[in-house]
Amino acid sequence: AQSVTQLGSHVSVSEGALVLLRCNYSSSVPPYLFWYVQYPNQGLQLLLKYTSAATLVKGINGFEAEFKKSETSFHLTKPSAHMSDAAEYFCAVSVGNYGGSQGNLIFGKGTKLSVKP
Amino acid sequence: DAGVIQSPRHEVTEMGQEVTLRCKPISGHDYLFWYRQTMMRGLELLIYFNNNVPIDDSGMPEDRFSAKMPNASFSTLKIQPSEPRDSAVYFCASSSILFAGELFFGEGSRLTVL
Repeated sequence: AQSVTQLGSHVSVSEGALVLLRCNYSSSVPPYLFWYVQYPNQGLQLLLKYTSAATLVKGINGFEAEFKKSETSFHLTKPSAHMSDAAEYFCAVSVGNYGGSQGNLIFGKGTKLSVKP
Repeated sequence: DAGVIQSPRHEVTEMGQEVTLRCKPISGHDYLFWYRQTMMRGLELLIYFNNNVPIDDSGMPEDRFSAKMPNASFSTLKIQPSEPRDSAVYFCASSSILFAGELFFGEGSRLTVL
């Protein structure tokens, strides 16, 4: 069965510092992997997705993630944090029978990112 | 496009009352999902539909929960009778196989059961 583990429920960085949010997955088939962001009182918004093409995926707002099969990881990074990046971030893996494109996702518990001025 | 539309945004009710949450997916999307978000359990998939047909309802907590999708532009999630432990934010999301698994979420319905 597919699963996702996010290491660290809360990460705090200073403005301008590197952001690194960790995600490890478990999947018996080649996965589709996603990072979503949730701002307070809002729904989830897609940051980026890996669908078996390039292993380094670039997303919105300067975020990127690298798929590493040997480490079963899909960590999210951003070189320089901005105050507006403060939000909760969710890693997700797809399940389903159609090469992962079916869309029913399993989400991690989330990592809340705080950015200090 | 207007995105996924959910109503109500907030609902406060008393234990034992019936609650109905509504969702309008993005036009043209053929998958619809209901998720529940709580501090303790995170995001849980309750049920999803494909072309208005329920495909997997194994996440529905118990018989008090039911979901319907009478047409491609409308779905409901009903809780009857409601209990305090049902308090959560309920999200509806839609997708299409064309988007390779990307879900488009509504803003959620925050339910408080007293």
